[in-house]
Amino acid sequence: QVQLQESGPGLVNPSETLSLTCTISGGSISSYYWSWIRQSPGKGLEWIAYIHYSGSTEYNPSLKSRVTISVDTSNNQFSLRLKSVTAADTAVYYCARGDPTNYYDSSGHLINSWHNWLDSWGQGTLVTVSS
Amino acid sequence: DFVMTQSPDSLAVSLGERATINCKSSQSVLHSSNNKNYLAWFQQKPGQPPKLLIYWASTREFGVPDRFSGSGSGTDFTLTISTLRAEDVAVYYCQQYFGTPFTFGQGTKLEIK
Repeated sequence: QVQLQESGPGLVNPSETLSLTCTISGGSISSYYWSWIRQSPGKGLEWIAYIHYSGSTEYNPSLKSRVTISVDTSNNQFSLRLKSVTAADTAVYYCARGDPTNYYDSSGHLINSWHNWLDSWGQGTLVTVSS
Repeated sequence: DFVMTQSPDSLAVSLGERATINCKSSQSVLHSSNNKNYLAWFQQKPGQPPKLLIYWASTREFGVPDRFSGSGSGTDFTLTISTLRAEDVAVYYCQQYFGTPFTFGQGTKLEIK
């Protein structure tokens, strides 16, 4: 059973950069998609970005200019950086795994992929933006 | 963006009775290539992350009790709990994964009457 655990500072100053890491245990980072989602009382659940183990990424256009997602396959981790934060970025941040449909050629090279449902989530970490 | 709208916002049902939650998408989430609806349902209890219940609009995730069922196609979907149990008290969300940005409904709070 895969487990995901978010880590990072719980308090970030306005205008600075929020950095979080998700560590995956009980499974490999390979083959899957990995997402960040946040939840605040005012905006509900908001998908932020995903990264495929191959390195391909997608971002929510509403946050794209401020967000970077990256993967560290050697340590079974992926990370989120959100720059220039304001109080509106205060939320519980979740990491989650996305079920993939991967297509490979006869040599085993990935030729196409599709992100399906989010099947496993971390417990979430509250990040407060305040001075 | 796909706008997901759930109804009602809150719902009170007696134990043992049926609970029905609706979700409407602003665009069809039915993919013509495979005739699948790219819609999931989640359950969230206080202090916990969302838990996947249903994917492909009607396929139960492994381990989810069969009193939970999903139906619908295109833009209109329903989550049904056939016989409500006390442990089903939670907020329920629908979510489309047809296209990015992935989007969630606003949630439906289910309580015991």
